Amino acid sequence: AQSVTQPDIHITVSEGASLELRCNYSYGATPYLFWYVQSPGQGLQLLLKYFSGDTLVQGIKGFEAEFKRSQSSFNLRKPSVHWSDAAEYFCAVGPLGIQGAQKLVFGQGTRLTINP
Amino acid sequence: EAGVAQSPRYKIIEKRQSVAFWCNPISGHATLYWYQQILGQGPKLLIQFQNNGVVDDSQLPKDRFSAERLKGVDSTLKIQPAKLEDSAVYLCASSPTVAGDGYTFGSGTRLTVV
Repeated sequence: AQSVTQPDIHITVSEGASLELRCNYSYGATPYLFWYVQSPGQGLQLLLKYFSGDTLVQGIKGFEAEFKRSQSSFNLRKPSVHWSDAAEYFCAVGPLGIQGAQKLVFGQGTRLTINP
Repeated sequence: EAGVAQSPRYKIIEKRQSVAFWCNPISGHATLYWYQQILGQGPKLLIQFQNNGVVDDSQLPKDRFSAERLKGVDSTLKIQPAKLEDSAVYLCASSPTVAGDGYTFGSGTRLTVV
């Protein structure tokens, strides 16, 4: 069965510092991988996605993620965080297929706090 | 393009009462999903519709939860009777059928059962 693990429940970084959020997945085939961000009281916003090709993907708001098949990881990075990046971040894996989109399985999330 | 609309935004009910949530997906999106997000956890799929047919409802507690998507557009999710553990955010999402397109989530309905 597919699963996603986000080892860090809560991370605190200083504004301007670099950020890396970890995500490990378990999936039998080539996964489709996503990172979403959720601000308090809001829905989920897609940051970036990986389907195939270049293993380093660029997303919105200056985020990037790298797919490493050998490590079953899809870590999210940002070179310099801003106070507005404080939110909950979710990694997800999905078996999208030619028959249409299917369900996503989410990790438990990592809460990011930014120190001024 | 308009996003996924959900209502109400908040709902507080007593246990054993019933409640219904409404979702209007993005126009033209054939696939609609209802997710349950309990505080401190990631969203979990409850049910997936393709047009007006159910594709996956394996994690829907069918003794108390029901959902429908009449005419393949709007959808309602109902809980009857509610339990304390149903307190959560209920997220609706939609996507087109073409592979490679991601979801669009609504803002969710926050349910508190007291």
